[in-house]
Parts: sequence; C-alpha cells; structure tokens
Amino acid sequence: ILNVEQSPQSLHVQEGDSTNFTCSFPSSNFYALHWYRWETAKSPEALFVMTLNGDEKKKGRISATLNTKEGYSYLYIKGSQPEDSATYLCAFGLQGAQKLVFGQGTRLTINP
Amino acid sequence: DAGITQSPRHKVTETGTPVTLRCHQTENHRYMYWYRQDPGHGLRLIHYSYGVKDTDKGEVSDGYSVSRSKTEDFLLTLESATSSQTSVYFCAIARNLETQYFGPGTRLLVL
Repeated sequence: ILNVEQSPQSLHVQEGDSTNFTCSFPSSNFYALHWYRWETAKSPEALFVMTLNGDEKKKGRISATLNTKEGYSYLYIKGSQPEDSATYLCAFGLQGAQKLVFGQGTRLTINP
Repeated sequence: DAGITQSPRHKVTETGTPVTLRCHQTENHRYMYWYRQDPGHGLRLIHYSYGVKDTDKGEVSDGYSVSRSKTEDFLLTLESATSSQTSVYFCAIARNLETQYFGPGTRLLVL
C-alpha cells in the first residue's frame, strides 16, 4: 500500500505571512505529483501537476517544488490572504497505475 | 470547467436500502473515479473505471459496486446502505493519467 503523507495536518497563519507545507511520497516508480486546493463545501480544484525532478510551478502567490529522488514536494504561499483558507491535497501518481493516491491534506486557516 | 455532474446532490436514506449515485460527463474522458470524503482521511478511492465496462476496486470498495455501460456515465451503488456510508461522495474524471477534475459532490445521509 502506497503511503502519501502531508504535514502538518492543520496550520493557522496570520494574514500577510508566508507559509509552506510538505507532501512526502515514495521515491520509486514516480510518475507525477499533483496539488489540489479544496475549499469547504466545494470540490477539489487542480493547482499543479509536476512530473520532473526539480520542477517548480507557480500560480500567483502559490508555488510548488518537486524532489522525486528524496520523495517530497513543498507548497508555498506568499503573503497569505483569507481566501487562501482551504485544505491542500497532494496526490501521487505511480508509473503504470491508473489512479492517484491522495494524502490526507493540510488544512490551512488564515487569520485576519 | 470540466463538464461533470453528479446526481442527486443530496440524499437521505434509511439503513438497509440500496442507493445509486450517478456521475455524468460530457468530456468523453476515459477515466472515471468515485471517492468519499472522510474527516482525517481526505479523499479515499472507492472504485474507478478505465473504460466502458472496465472497472476496478479502490481502497474502500466493500459495500459498494459500480457500473459503466457507456463512456459518459459511471454509477455507484450502495448495495445495502449503512450509517458508516454517510459521507460526501465525489466523482472525478481524467482524460489520461494526468489531472483529475472533480464533480460537485453528493451528500449522503444514512439514518
């Protein structure tokens, strides 16, 4: 059974502060690493997909990095805003598999 | 937005009754997935499909069955609903093994 771990499980950050959290995944047979943003009472929305070691992706104030050799990805949020409050999910794609394995998520709350 | 709908959006049922949830897509994507949302577990895969009549189990498939008789529809059936199946159910679609796009979710309450 593949294990995808996200840390921390929850995080409270003051508005304007920057923050980051981690997704750990198996380093063998890597295919892709996805990040999703999931607001309360909505459905998950795709943020990034990364496939190559060293990949960096950016969308506005949110960016992500990927290290496939050591099996981790970081998600960074610069200058947090209340609208960034959500659960951030990572999902690991294994070579040859037809499904993703999701982590349990990091629940981010931005305090005004 | 990916053309994906789920029905019903809300359902209240009694323990022991069968329930069928429908996922419908207009994108002609090959892959379709059913997940359930559980506190502390994020999303857990119930079943998935990689083509018409081609389905496989996920990590929490006990008590659930699926069918896909045409590309656009993926049905999830709770054979005999139990209170532990109270959850929010999400359908997702994918063209290939890249990004999955999620439907709006179905809230199911089993009394």
